Amino acid sequence: NAGVTQTPKFRVLKTGQSMTLLCAQDMNHEYMYWYRQDPGMGLRLIHYSVGEGTTAKGEVPDGYNVSRLKKQNFLLGLESAAPSQTSVYFCASSSFGGYQETQYFGPGTRLLVL
Amino acid sequence: KQEVTQIPAALSVPEGENLVLNCSFTDSAIYNLQWFRQDPGKGLTSLLLIQSSQREQTSGRLNASLDKSSGRSTLYIAASQPGDSATYLCAGGSQGNLIFGKGTKLSVKP
Repeated sequence: NAGVTQTPKFRVLKTGQSMTLLCAQDMNHEYMYWYRQDPGMGLRLIHYSVGEGTTAKGEVPDGYNVSRLKKQNFLLGLESAAPSQTSVYFCASSSFGGYQETQYFGPGTRLLVL
Repeated sequence: KQEVTQIPAALSVPEGENLVLNCSFTDSAIYNLQWFRQDPGKGLTSLLLIQSSQREQTSGRLNASLDKSSGRSTLYIAASQPGDSATYLCAGGSQGNLIFGKGTKLSVKP
């Protein structure tokens, strides 16, 4: 099993451009998450999904949109990139959101917005 | 709102030393406390998960404890090795999500 994979690994955007980050998991997990990690800020939850066709806002959702059309995929979109969105983005998944479950993380996508 | 704090932010120890990493949280209504490891340029790897009804979990040289009443968790690493060098993050699970601390960067010197 590949676990959680993320595409692309690294991307440079100009301010105002758009892009989509793809997360895929092959563990048949119900829950999927998008985080961003910034120096001195730790990981912060952007959006999450509790199942196919569902999405919900996390701590820092502004400027991002997400879609979960297929259970194994969770897409994160930036419609008009801003320098403040320069960050490392991590996707994660878990079987459920309950107290026994850990989250499995992808390797991350480094995004630089100029 | 849950807040998770990790002290110290960085720690350097000689190989072979036993060490303790600290994590504190503000909301005792967590349903679990998790410890992760992150290597430079990589994603997070789960180390230990302590459910709210448990007091500790062990895996090899790692032992994590949870004291909900005081809002604290510790990660004990025995006989540290250079391969343990990484950033260690704790996260409190509450209201369906994980709230992460900023991490402790550990360096184990040969």
